[in-house]
Amino acid sequence: DAGVIQSPRHEVTEMGQEVTLRCKPISGHNSLFWYRQTMMRGLELLIYFNNNVPIDDSGMPEDRFSAKMPNASFSTLKIQPSEPRDSAVYFCASSRRQSGRDQPQHFGDGTRLSIL
Amino acid sequence: QQPVQSPQAVILREGEDAVINCSSSKALYSVHWYRQKHGEAPVFLMILLKGGEQKGHEKISASFNEKKQQSSLYLTASQLSYSGTYFCGTGAAGNKLTFGGGTRVLVKP
Repeated sequence: DAGVIQSPRHEVTEMGQEVTLRCKPISGHNSLFWYRQTMMRGLELLIYFNNNVPIDDSGMPEDRFSAKMPNASFSTLKIQPSEPRDSAVYFCASSRRQSGRDQPQHFGDGTRLSIL
Repeated sequence: QQPVQSPQAVILREGEDAVINCSSSKALYSVHWYRQKHGEAPVFLMILLKGGEQKGHEKISASFNEKKQQSSLYLTASQLSYSGTYFCGTGAAGNKLTFGGGTRVLVKP
């Protein structure tokens, strides 16, 4: 079975450029999560969706960050304009959402983003 | 608020045991445990949903003490493959997780 697919795997770009990260969740999963991981701040939840609807975006650091989920099989995280402090590994994860029961989250391989 | 994990790092010889703790200042609904190897994605180990519940994954088990707002992960007879960083994630409604800072485990031959 295909896992969560993220692209690109690596992105190096200059400060001020727009960056778009992509995620395809596991088929049948209806919750999708975007995380950022850095040495200083660890693994932080940025935003999550249930059934394509954003539920909690309180972790999105600034207005420069935006996320969309136009359908059940695709999501994007956009940074515009990018800054060096945005350099991090960005993970997308998906899970089944089942009322009253937690489900495991399955992580993609991540996008390693470097802003010069 | 982020759960607190201890210790931050542990070095073991193959076959030794270790305990990793995860404490929260808020009432816990659930606790998830994940392991991440260097340069890879976190991988799910187990979920604990009830106070006092214990679960296992190979020779890795965990307990959840709702009263103490704490979970512990037990690495028994550790193997080289257990090396990595272990994260606990505390669950809230809607499957949202808040991850601890991680515990780095190194198992040496």
